Amino acid sequence: DAEITQSPRHKITETGRQVTLACHQTWNHNNMFWYRQDLGHGLRLIHYSYGVQDTNKGEVSDGYSVSRSNTEDLPLTLESAASSQTSVYFCASSESFSGSVSSYTFGSGTRLTVV
Amino acid sequence: SQQGEEDPQALSIQEGENATMNCSYKTSINNLQWYRQNSGRGLVHLILIRSNEREKHSGRLRVTLDTSKKSSSLLITASRAADTASYFCATGLRGGAQKLVFGQGTRLTINP
Repeated sequence: DAEITQSPRHKITETGRQVTLACHQTWNHNNMFWYRQDLGHGLRLIHYSYGVQDTNKGEVSDGYSVSRSNTEDLPLTLESAASSQTSVYFCASSESFSGSVSSYTFGSGTRLTVV
Repeated sequence: SQQGEEDPQALSIQEGENATMNCSYKTSINNLQWYRQNSGRGLVHLILIRSNEREKHSGRLRVTLDTSKKSSSLLITASRAADTASYFCATGLRGGAQKLVFGQGTRLTINP
């Protein structure tokens, strides 16, 4: 069965370190997204991609980067981790439809703690 | 700022009762979607309603959309303990972008 997997499930890192969170999907979806979820803020979009070599900034992109070298993967990198980036991170993917926004399939999330 | 705002933020009802959650949004939409999130898990898509639709059903779920008031409601009938979760509305905006903007969610608790 097709799936979307995130790794690791939990991560503790120190301030200033570079951290990469993995997202891998086998749905063959063109669209992939990274969100962070914090109490009081719901889900906020970090970065997204509509296909290979395409990346775009979301509303909270500062301190984060992504790259899309193939259809299946969209890794999220925290360049220099800060305590404000302690959060739960969700990856999602969706089909690409002209003129419409399709539903998302979400991963199980990565809980990141920056100490 | 968030496009969608859910109301109430938290709702607690008895098993068997109906639960209604509301969502308001600010700009023109292509469609509106509802998702469920169980504690510690990812979000799961429940239902999508297009901007030219007014009502949609899926099992015990009923979604309405009023584009003139920029609002939607999610009704869960005959609630069960397994319905305990957070529910989020998400709006797909007009204009070609294929990303969703999520609200902050309603925490629903079903008491046995």
